[in-house]
Amino acid sequence: KAGVTQTPRYLIKTRGQQVTLSCSPISGHRSVSWYQQTPGQGLQFLFEYFSETQRNKGNFPGRFSGRQFSNSRSEMNVSTLELGDSALYLCASSPTGDTGNTIYFGEGSWLTVV
Amino acid sequence: DQQVKQNSPSLSVQEGRISILNCDYTNSMFDYFLWYKKYPAEGPTFLISISSIKDKNEDGRFTVFLNKSAKHLSLHIVPSQPGDSAVYFCAASSPGNTPLVFGKGTRLSVIA
Repeated sequence: KAGVTQTPRYLIKTRGQQVTLSCSPISGHRSVSWYQQTPGQGLQFLFEYFSETQRNKGNFPGRFSGRQFSNSRSEMNVSTLELGDSALYLCASSPTGDTGNTIYFGEGSWLTVV
Repeated sequence: DQQVKQNSPSLSVQEGRISILNCDYTNSMFDYFLWYKKYPAEGPTFLISISSIKDKNEDGRFTVFLNKSAKHLSLHIVPSQPGDSAVYFCAASSPGNTPLVFGKGTRLSVIA
């Protein structure tokens, strides 16, 4: 069974630009979550989607948005990039996202904002 | 306000010895706990989990212990191997479809 796939793996953007990251969950998984990892800050929850609906949202500004498609694939978008947005963005999937579900991560998308 | 705390940023252990990674939590609603391992430039990999109805779960060299009264869990790795050198994250969730809350991680170095 294929794992969680994230594209692109690495990208460099300029301040003020926007970026879109893509995630394909494990087949059959309907919940997709996004996390941001920065040095020393662990994994910060961005948002979670289930059946094309955002169910949970973390404490990030409105510049961070996402969506989920009918095939469970998900995208996240960051607009008006700031230097502090440089981070590893991780997508994770689980069958339903309910407690007791293990979530499985992709390899991440490394974003550098210059 | 950190709900999941890993107070040791780093830990060094000799190969063959036991590694003990600790995690404390503050939210008494948490009922499911997980450990993930992360190598540089890769996503976290699920290691082991435990439900709040148990106090111990084993999987090969990995054992997780849960002390609900102390709101503390630990991951034991026996014996430690150089390939275990990575950052370990503790995570917890509460009932329903709530997101996992992660600690900041502990970097384990296993020295040959």
